[in-house]
Amino acid sequence: DTGVSQDPRHKITKRGQNVTFRCDPISEHNRLYWYRQTLGQGPEFLTYFQNEAQLEKSRLLSDRFSAERPKGSFSTLEIQRTEQGDSAMYLCASSIRPGTGELFFGEGSRLTVL
Amino acid sequence: RKEVEQDPGPFNVPEGATVAFNCTYSNSASQSFFWYRQDCRKEPKLLMSVYSSGNEDGRFTAQLNRASQYISLLIRDSKLSDSATYLCVVSLNAGGTSYGKLTFGQGTILTVHP
Repeated sequence: DTGVSQDPRHKITKRGQNVTFRCDPISEHNRLYWYRQTLGQGPEFLTYFQNEAQLEKSRLLSDRFSAERPKGSFSTLEIQRTEQGDSAMYLCASSIRPGTGELFFGEGSRLTVL
Repeated sequence: RKEVEQDPGPFNVPEGATVAFNCTYSNSASQSFFWYRQDCRKEPKLLMSVYSSGNEDGRFTAQLNRASQYISLLIRDSKLSDSATYLCVVSLNAGGTSYGKLTFGQGTILTVHP
């Protein structure tokens, strides 16, 4: 399968613990995005990368959240000191620039904070 | 005010019906517009881009009104398989070479029944 892959698919953690999600984009895609989605809402933008450079970060992203894409390939999203409000589906997407702008999403990583 | 607003529905229509969804966006500098579809418990996928002159793809027609900052999606001859959440998506970046952050609306739920 050459689509966007995310790991783990499900994570249950206790409040206060740190969690890390990994995203492997489609290989030739140079842009990588992280979104968060809760029930009944559309995906909410968190951050995006052009190769290894983080070009934009949402104001909603507190300093407990950090994302990296060290070699311009896979990316990690870490949440420190998790809170119950962090429970959501974390979606990764990739795209190619220049291109049509279409985002190709992974199946997501579902986080449950107890 | 939300950047992208949609009527969340749900819209319940019989097979064969015509249904229209509306979306408004707040930033007049927005340049690129899309409709994505999200099936239950699945990731969003691009349905169609929205062009200034309006565009059609089979049973689906998208319209853009920049003056009113309004986007619409019309589905004709609804099928059971059209049941999904339809997400309106807006980007500030011009098309072709520099798509950046894509902002999603809340989504409109459509259920097509026999």
